[in-house]
Amino acid sequence: SQTIHQWPATLVQPVGSPLSLECTVEGTSNPNLYWYRQAAGRGLQLLFYSVGIGQISSEVPQNLSASRPQDRQFILSSKKLLLSDSGFYLCAWNGGRAEETQYFGPGTRLLVL
Amino acid sequence: AQSVSQHNHHVILSEAASLELGCNYSYGGTVNLFWYVQYPGQHLQLLLKYFSGDPLVKGIKGFEAEFIKSKFSFNLRKPSVQWSDTAEYFCAVNAYGNNRLAFGKGNQVVVIP
Repeated sequence: SQTIHQWPATLVQPVGSPLSLECTVEGTSNPNLYWYRQAAGRGLQLLFYSVGIGQISSEVPQNLSASRPQDRQFILSSKKLLLSDSGFYLCAWNGGRAEETQYFGPGTRLLVL
Repeated sequence: AQSVSQHNHHVILSEAASLELGCNYSYGGTVNLFWYVQYPGQHLQLLLKYFSGDPLVKGIKGFEAEFIKSKFSFNLRKPSVQWSDTAEYFCAVNAYGNNRLAFGKGNQVVVIP
C-alpha cells in the first residue's frame, strides 16, 4: 500500500533562516505531488505541484520554492523565512488524473519567530 | 480560477442531530467535486467525491452529498451525527482534466455527546 511521509513534524525557525521540508511517497511510481499550506479558517492553498522529476509548477508568488530531485521526493524550501511563512504545510500525491483522490501526509507545523 | 465557498465555519450540534454543510463553487465548466475530512490528530482524508454519474454520492461513515449543477453546489449531509463526527470538513473542486484543487475554508464541526 502507498504511504506518504513528511518531516519534520514541527519546526520553529527564526525570521531570515532557511527552510527545507521533505515529503516522500512509498508504494507508487511517477505520482503527481503537491504542496499545500493550511491556515486556520482559510482552508488549504495549493503552493506547488509536480508531474515528474524536475517539473515544478508554482501556483502563487511567494517566498518559497519547491524541487523534485527524485520520483517520490518533493522538497519545499526557502532561503530566508518570513513571519508570514508560518503555517501548516501538507504534502499530497495522486496518480495524475484530476478525478483521482489526493492522499495527504501528516503535515509539518512551521512557526517562524 | 475556481473558488469554493463554505459557510458557517463553526457548527455545534448534539448527537443524533442532522448535519448539512453547504459548498458552492464558481466555475462554469465540468468539475470534479470532493469532500475531505480531518479528524483531530489525523491526516486529511477523502470522505466522498463526484466526477460523473449519479449526482447523489454516498461516502464513508454514512455521509452523502448531492451535486446540483444548476446551483453550482455540492452540499454534504448526514442524517444523524455521532460524537466521532467531530472534525473539520473541506469541500474541494477541480476542473475536468486539471489537477489543481481549490479548497473551501472548511467547516469546524463539533458534536456534543
